[in-house]
Amino acid sequence: GAGVSQSPSNKVTEKGKDVELRCDPISGHTALYWYRQSLGQGLEFLIYFQGNSAPDKSGLPSDRFSAERTGGSVSTLTIQRTQQEDSAVYLCASSFQDLTEAFFGQGTRLTVV
Amino acid sequence: GIQVEQSPPDLILQEGANSTLRCNFSDSVNNLQWFHQNPWGQLINLFYIPSGTKQNGRLSATTVATERYSLLYISSSQTTDSGVYFCAGNSGSARQLTFGSGTQLTVLP
Repeated sequence: GAGVSQSPSNKVTEKGKDVELRCDPISGHTALYWYRQSLGQGLEFLIYFQGNSAPDKSGLPSDRFSAERTGGSVSTLTIQRTQQEDSAVYLCASSFQDLTEAFFGQGTRLTVV
Repeated sequence: GIQVEQSPPDLILQEGANSTLRCNFSDSVNNLQWFHQNPWGQLINLFYIPSGTKQNGRLSATTVATERYSLLYISSSQTTDSGVYFCAGNSGSARQLTFGSGTQLTVLP
């Protein structure tokens, strides 16, 4: 596609529910990254994919968080049993390969009530 | 991991003024990028600048990799330049970008 696309743009969920966030990277980009940005803060790394593999999951804050990537393209970030502290903007980025320019989607704003 | 320091944290300018934003890294860094986060939260790529100097309109950037810093220059600022400016880079074997805490720029009419 023309750019990185994320859906939904906004998600309000009740505490304890599971949510899935989707990222469509730029076509042909092999590297994909998930970040989280809390209100007024910088970007916190969550997970990195190269193809369908996730060599670096070091940023996932707890075992309630998981992510997968299929077909070397679309990625889904799943948060189970959401908590209020999970409220943030979740950003996805892709790059053609490792250590090249990264491009970000518009983010998903998650609010846990 | 690598530490990224950005300065100043906040900057208020009158329209038409020039400014310099700085980014310091605690270790040698690859893949240095500058982004502008607009009021709607979208991260816009400004420069991919592992080293050297680049210019794009009123904006230019310089990275001195051996000294572990990068500078972003904004000339003749406009109200639409307002937002948060982030620098980010990779270090060592890390594949993800590490971000600074940003510079919040406000340009007044």
